[in-house]
Amino acid sequence: DQQVKQNSPSLSVQEGRISILNCDYTNSMFDYFLWYKKYPAEGPTFLISISSIKDKNEDGRFTVFLNKSAKHLSLHIVPSQPGDSAVYFCAASPPGNQFYFGTGTSLTVIP
Amino acid sequence: EPEVTQTPSHQVTQMGQEVILRCVPISNHLYFYWYRQILGQKVEFLVSFYNNEISEKSEIFDDQFSVERPDGSNFTLKIRSTKLEDSAMYFCASSLNSVGTGRYEQYFGPGTRLTVT
Repeated sequence: DQQVKQNSPSLSVQEGRISILNCDYTNSMFDYFLWYKKYPAEGPTFLISISSIKDKNEDGRFTVFLNKSAKHLSLHIVPSQPGDSAVYFCAASPPGNQFYFGTGTSLTVIP
Repeated sequence: EPEVTQTPSHQVTQMGQEVILRCVPISNHLYFYWYRQILGQKVEFLVSFYNNEISEKSEIFDDQFSVERPDGSNFTLKIRSTKLEDSAMYFCASSLNSVGTGRYEQYFGPGTRLTVT
């Protein structure tokens, strides 16, 4: 049941450049979206969220864009730093508190 | 900084045994969750809990599973009769709000690795 998809399992970016992580979803009932970062042997760490009433949310170096018509969201990290190297998960929820996660994208930021 | 804690970090059990995974959510949070991640697979929602009752659960959360908040601080996940396929990392999470009620953030614990032999 792939309601949330992250089609790129990995991404490499030079330090200082922009990282763009993508996420697609199929359920039109999803109205809240989150991005998490995860290091090995740790739990996911919340990064940023967006409600479906918005198309953009910004927090420091992190910006999430939501395109509802395309059922697509993306996370932009700029400038990318080596400490950003981790697995990034997007998650989506219909009304309520049940979150569906994507399979993750492993980001490597090259110094 | 407040954090979600989980114990134990690793639990090994034999098939058919009962296990209890423990979590201490952030103290002023009101919503509690359990997720699991089978090795190499995605994080999967199990259950959410609010006001001392289950608010939502997934198809994975069958009669073998139960959750409890036995006191004001702990939140537990019990698996009654473990199966080999229950081997996974189990994450507890908590949030102050419900989705859609304002700024929403969900904080995860470090996880408990459950190995069923």
